[in-house]
Amino acid sequence: EAQVTQNPRYLITVTGKKLTVTCSQNMNHEYMSWYRQDPGLGLRQIYYSMNVEVTDKGDVPEGYKVSRKEKRNFPLILESPSPNQTSLYFCASSLGDPGSNEQFFGPGTRLTVL
Amino acid sequence: QQPVQSPQAVILREGEDAVINCSSSKALYSVHWYRQKHGEAPVFLMILLKGGEQKGHEKISASFNEKKQQSSLYLTASQLSYSGTYFCGTSGSNFGNEKLTFGTGTRLTIIP
Repeated sequence: EAQVTQNPRYLITVTGKKLTVTCSQNMNHEYMSWYRQDPGLGLRQIYYSMNVEVTDKGDVPEGYKVSRKEKRNFPLILESPSPNQTSLYFCASSLGDPGSNEQFFGPGTRLTVL
Repeated sequence: QQPVQSPQAVILREGEDAVINCSSSKALYSVHWYRQKHGEAPVFLMILLKGGEQKGHEKISASFNEKKQQSSLYLTASQLSYSGTYFCGTSGSNFGNEKLTFGTGTRLTIIP
């Protein structure tokens, strides 16, 4: 089944404790993104990757890191999480450029930072 | 800059029609529409590319006016399953480094 998977689905952590949210897609998609969703703010892009080893900042990159060592994986790293990073996070992938292609979203990761 | 969606929320009875608007301050190459049900991931509805086209998907259709930098999503004879939050996403080009920017969403509630 074609899908985007994320792990974990739920995470409660404390300020400053490094964490990684994994994202994997099995559709051989070139383009992958991370979004955060907060009430009233919609979906805001954190980082994106056009291909292996090619990543760039989105609209709200502060406090996050990413890497794209393999085409299928695009982990999101929070080196020192803070309470303002409490949010719902979505990974998405598309076959090509996001302007022309459908975005496939993962199921989401609900993160709470205490 | 995020596109502006209106209305922010709407409540309809089953069978009624709805229009959701999406407006951008910059020139657009494409407009995407997604629906998100509570607790789930956004699901793709359709893409409209510049050229002023209109697209349809069952009883859900959309138009794109590139001159006005606006798109509208039309839901006719709404069903209970149409409830959810609708997001438009806009892009200024088909270049790989052009991101998709989403609006803040329109919450649609269909009541029996």
